[in-house]
Amino acid sequence: GAVVSQHPSRVICKSGTSVKIECRSLDFQATTMFWYRQFPKQSLMLMATSNEGSKATYEQGVEKDKFLINHASLTLSTLTVTSAHPEDSSFYICSASDPRDGTYNEQFFGPGTRLTVL
Amino acid sequence: DAKTTQPPSMDCAEGRAANLPCNHSTISGNEYVYWYRQIHSQGPQYIIHGLKNNETNEMASLIITEDRKSSTLILPHATLRDTAVYYCIVRVNNQGGKLIFGQGTELSVKP
Repeated sequence: GAVVSQHPSRVICKSGTSVKIECRSLDFQATTMFWYRQFPKQSLMLMATSNEGSKATYEQGVEKDKFLINHASLTLSTLTVTSAHPEDSSFYICSASDPRDGTYNEQFFGPGTRLTVL
Repeated sequence: DAKTTQPPSMDCAEGRAANLPCNHSTISGNEYVYWYRQIHSQGPQYIIHGLKNNETNEMASLIITEDRKSSTLILPHATLRDTAVYYCIVRVNNQGGKLIFGQGTELSVKP
């Protein structure tokens, strides 16, 4: 299957700083990428959908000014957590799909990024 | 909100079949049933999907009831590496791939 990578895999930062997480599709062009957040012992929660070259669509309750998403190319999307606070500590996972694949829209998930805000 | 309900946890003996049920009584005619699994601290992994016919691949089989209100994922010979949280998700294929995860079933395969 297709491969999606995330960088970094783990990050620890101080409260008030901003953190950027990268999501890359390595062997396919991802016209659509998704960002999820997962707290311990909980399920994945969809944060936003990003389409290459356009603004991201955020799910209800997700602050777009706090979680900045950029999808400037067909292989890269970035999530920036601005002014991070301890409650932003979580496991952030991206996924990617290429809806031009007309059979079915399988999503390929990255390995996740563990963010800890001190 | 997720449109599926699954038991929170199940145990299975190594080498035996693991049968994971999922209820999706409000599924629409154009919605598919997808199964993903998530091993601890990793990203989810696609397993299988289907519309109304039973499906089988190298990982698992998917049995969908005739009324499509429920389904069962079958891992024919569970191994310790199959220990994971299994998510059953229904979605329309042309909605840009959006997946809404429920709570899933935590499957523990025991020696």
